[in-house]
Amino acid sequence: GENVEQHPSTLSVQEGDSAVIKCTYSDSASNYFPWYKQELGKRPQLIIDIRSNVGEKKDQRIAVTLNKTAKHFSLHITETQPEDSAVYFCAALINDYKLSFGAGTTVTVRA
Amino acid sequence: DSGVTQTPKHLITATGQRVTLRCSPRSGDLSVYWYQQSLDQGLQFLIQYYNGEERAKGNILERFSAQQFPDLHSELNLSSLELGDSALYFCASSVDSSMNTEAFFGQGTRLTVV
Repeated sequence: GENVEQHPSTLSVQEGDSAVIKCTYSDSASNYFPWYKQELGKRPQLIIDIRSNVGEKKDQRIAVTLNKTAKHFSLHITETQPEDSAVYFCAALINDYKLSFGAGTTVTVRA
Repeated sequence: DSGVTQTPKHLITATGQRVTLRCSPRSGDLSVYWYQQSLDQGLQFLIQYYNGEERAKGNILERFSAQQFPDLHSELNLSSLELGDSALYFCASSVDSSMNTEAFFGQGTRLTVV
C-alpha cells in the first residue's frame, strides 16, 4: 500500500507551546520523509526532511523523528509563534519517484 | 520564489470545456510532477515526467493528459471538465528522476469549473 496517515487534522496551540504532528506509512521500502508547510493560498514549501538512516533531525525550533520499525514519523515544533500557523503535510517517498502526502494538519497558534 | 513557474494562476471555465495548464521547472531540473489539491484536501499525485518521458502515473483521470517538451516545460491538459475538477493544480520539479531530494513546488493554478 501507499497510504500515509496524518494526525491530527487540526491543532490549536497557545503561542510558546509545542505542537506535534504524527504520520504513519505503509510501504516499508520508503526511505525519505519530507515535511511541507503550506500557508494560505501559497505553495507547499519543504521545511525539514529525514532519511531512513537517521532517527532524528533538528533545525532550530523544528525537529522530526522517525521510527522505521513502527513505520511512523513525527514533526515537533517548539516555542510556537503566530507565523507557524499553516497547513503541514507529511510525505513518504514511494518507489523512489512518488511522494505520497498525508491529508494535512491545520495548525493555529493562538496569541 | 521556488523557480518553478506555473501559468495561469487562475482559470475559470465551464463544464465540458478543455484547458491547458503550463509549468516551467527550475533551471536544470529534469523531472516534473503534477499534483491536484482539492478544497481542504491533501496533495494527490497525478503524473511524473522525466527528461521528456512519462515515468509514473498516479490517480490521473483518462480525461486528463500531460506531456513534457524538449525544453522541459510541461503541460497538463484537462478535458470534458466537470465541477469536481475544480481544484488547485501544482507542478513540482526536482533535479533527477527521483523525489529523493527536495521537490520545489510552483505557486499553483487555481481551476474553477462552473
